[in-house]
Amino acid sequence: EDQVTQSPEALRLQEGESSSLNCSYTVSGLRGLFWYRQDPGKGPEFLFTLYSAGEEKEKERLKATLTKKESFLHITAPKPEDSATYLCAVQDSGNTPLVFGKGTRLSVIA
Amino acid sequence: DTGVSQNPRHKITKRGQNVTFRCDPISEHNRLYWYRQTLGQGPEFLTYFQNEAQLEKSRLLSDRFSAERPKGSFSTLEIQRTEQGDSAMYLCASSRRAGGTDTQYFGPGTRLTVL
Repeated sequence: EDQVTQSPEALRLQEGESSSLNCSYTVSGLRGLFWYRQDPGKGPEFLFTLYSAGEEKEKERLKATLTKKESFLHITAPKPEDSATYLCAVQDSGNTPLVFGKGTRLSVIA
Repeated sequence: DTGVSQNPRHKITKRGQNVTFRCDPISEHNRLYWYRQTLGQGPEFLTYFQNEAQLEKSRLLSDRFSAERPKGSFSTLEIQRTEQGDSAMYLCASSRRAGGTDTQYFGPGTRLTVL
């Protein structure tokens, strides 16, 4: 059974304090690993798709990386507007639906 | 660029009533998904359509839940005889499979409260 575990559950950072969020996964065959951002009361907003180990993608202050067992979302010099829940999900090569982790709730304090 | 839309955004109902939600996917997306999310959890898969065909249903989807996607366009999710445990955010997503990619884009969700 596909599994996704995210850590930490919650993270509080000062503005400008860089950090990383972790997503560990177990799948029989990875079609894709996805990162989403979710603001309270809203639907998840797509950030990145990673397909193979060693792949990296960047968007503004965010950088996602992928290994065979985990993915990291690095946040460089975060701002208060980066505060949100960050969700990681995997898509198994044999399945279409996404399997999500519980998310990491990020708070960035000015 | 029109994203995924969902209606209503909020629904409050009494236990035992039936409710129906609507999802309009991104145009030209042939796949449409329904997920459910409760507080502090990630979204959980319920069912998905490719065009008008319902291809997969989760074990979570009891027989009180039914989904349709007539003509492969919008979709409806109906919950019959609602229970307090059905209270959750119901999310719709759509995608267009192209080669190896299948990125799902989510709507704003429908928040259901069962009293």
